[in-house]
Amino acid sequence: DTAVSQTPKYLVTQMGNDKSIKCEQNLGHDTMYWYKQDSKKFLKIMFSYNNKELIINETVPNRFSPKSPDKAHLNLHINSLELGDSAVYFCASSPTSGAEQFFGPGTRLTVL
Amino acid sequence: RKEVEQDPGPFNVPEGATVAFNCTYSNSASQSFFWYRQDCRKEPKLLMSVYSSGNEDGRFTAQLNRASQYISLLIRDSKLSDSATYLCVVNPHSSASKIIFGSGTRLSIRP
Repeated sequence: DTAVSQTPKYLVTQMGNDKSIKCEQNLGHDTMYWYKQDSKKFLKIMFSYNNKELIINETVPNRFSPKSPDKAHLNLHINSLELGDSAVYFCASSPTSGAEQFFGPGTRLTVL
Repeated sequence: RKEVEQDPGPFNVPEGATVAFNCTYSNSASQSFFWYRQDCRKEPKLLMSVYSSGNEDGRFTAQLNRASQYISLLIRDSKLSDSATYLCVVNPHSSASKIIFGSGTRLSIRP
């Protein structure tokens, strides 16, 4: 059984479009995260949600908005995509804030 | 000084060798520490948590040195399958989850 799943795995789109990436975890964890890994492989946290409450909002553009319909899901919506948004986006979850994290397989986003 | 700093490598060692990585952190109040490994084009996976007293899991040993503000990972009897990028992770707060990933150390094991 997949613990943390993301869809889609690959996303190719034009500049200016709006897109969403979905994430689901079946581990019963309280906290979920979104990370961006750029071409230099640096992994940077974007958001985390704890029991549907945003507890981190790093200095990411407001074109990025996390949406959590319930504890098991944290989706990422991106408006007006830019070339610099091209990266791999990872979803993760942990039992509690700051504990060890389990990552999804990643979504490779390419903006043309 | 970066919040979390790692030697990017690559470390290229023969199979069977012992290899060690260090990771330094700037916030002396940091609460929890982890080592993850990431294979090429895959997601990071937890390798081990790092406890104050040090901990061992098979061929892997992790240690924390609070006085000098670094954590270390020692791999004994390295295998070809150990080839990966090793990421150190530091959580400055116990509950605020401002987790910081290092940029990773690339390890390549040669036959």
